[in-house]
Amino acid sequence: DTAVSQTPKYLVTQMGNDKSIKCEQNLGHDTMYWYKQDSKKFLKIMFSYNNKELIINETVPNRFSPKSPDKAHLNLHINSLELGDSAVYFCASSPGTSGVETQYFGPGTRLLVL
Amino acid sequence: DQQVKQNSPSLSVQEGRISILNCDYTNSMFDYFLWYKKYPAEGPTFLISISSIKDKNEDGRFTVFLNKSAKHLSLHIVPSQPGDSAVYFCAASAVRGAQKLVFGQGTRLTINP
Repeated sequence: DTAVSQTPKYLVTQMGNDKSIKCEQNLGHDTMYWYKQDSKKFLKIMFSYNNKELIINETVPNRFSPKSPDKAHLNLHINSLELGDSAVYFCASSPGTSGVETQYFGPGTRLLVL
Repeated sequence: DQQVKQNSPSLSVQEGRISILNCDYTNSMFDYFLWYKKYPAEGPTFLISISSIKDKNEDGRFTVFLNKSAKHLSLHIVPSQPGDSAVYFCAASAVRGAQKLVFGQGTRLTINP
């Protein structure tokens, strides 16, 4: 039974398109995150939501818009996709928001923009 | 500006020997450190953590050492097993800050039989 799941696992699309990635966690956690792993392999946080409220918003282009319909789901919508958006996007969750909590990651969504 | 750095992109170790993975950080506000392990096509999974009030934390074959003055931590795996072959990420956070993990770029560990 997958704790943090993401769909789709792979996404190949053309520049300029709009796409969404979905994330669901069944751990009962209050906090969810989106990370981007770029070509240099660094995992960088993009957004964090706690109980559907945005708490972390790193310097991400506003073409990226997270949406949390409930605390078990955090979706990522990307408008006007660019070549540089090609990366692996990981969703994660944790029980709360303190700096000592373990984050649990989904399997990742591999996005390729052509 | 990378605040967490893993300067060895890869490491190859013989089965049964000790694997030592290193991590350096620059931000003195970091006071909680974690190691994650990642297999191909999977997300990172939590391995072990250490608070800055300690200099060592052990869990079975895995031990993390923290040297605050040098802003350096290391992960020791002994004995190394083939199933330990994976990419290992070091991460850091500030306990009182927002729950934001800053990751290094990972070290690919290969355990040779």
